[in-house]
Amino acid sequence: SQQGEEDPQALSIQEGENATMNCSYKTSINNLQWYRQNSGRGLVHLILIRSNEREKHSGRLRVTLDTSKKSSSLLITASRAADTASYFCATSTGAGGSYIPTFGRGTSLIVHP
Amino acid sequence: DADVTQTPRNRITKTGKRIMLECSQTKGHDRMYWYRQDPGLGLRLIYYSFDVKDINKGEISDGYSVSRQAQAKFSLSLESAIPNQTALYFCATSDPWTDEAFFGQGTRLTVV
Repeated sequence: SQQGEEDPQALSIQEGENATMNCSYKTSINNLQWYRQNSGRGLVHLILIRSNEREKHSGRLRVTLDTSKKSSSLLITASRAADTASYFCATSTGAGGSYIPTFGRGTSLIVHP
Repeated sequence: DADVTQTPRNRITKTGKRIMLECSQTKGHDRMYWYRQDPGLGLRLIYYSFDVKDINKGEISDGYSVSRQAQAKFSLSLESAIPNQTALYFCATSDPWTDEAFFGQGTRLTVV
């Protein structure tokens, strides 16, 4: 079974709007990461948030983490057509450094010009 | 040059054939992974290796085997391919300090 689950599965917005996608997970984590995948290509790392952090920013990206609710959100502000992609959360679980990246099913984002 | 290189990028093979997907990385990390991606199912872990002598089964290892030839090389084999192994396969490595994963461009495998 997959640790993280993204919501919604699909999101369609207009250029300039904000896009918010959520990730819920099941077990305690060390950190949570967001990745982007352009159609049929490899995943690219966007941002990492540690379990003791609540919010993190990187350019137009804002990530929040609520460990009490076991959830995270990724906000893309002022979206562009080039942001069209699938977005995945990955959780870091394990002990003693035995981290295994575990991914959800992803959110497919379409940004219309 | 890409940090993680997968070959081939595309492959069509027949049912029952043995096929090997190769992966090499230049990041210098010990940890390497093979994932399979199917539409609507996200990425599922097939095998992972934390160093050359360490091989572990993932969520969906049945029908697959791996070989870690060196720190930089991790190959995935389908001993007898079947049509439901048609998928997009990804190799990855991860930084043990930052946990960031680096992916190859994927191998699109079709079993007919």
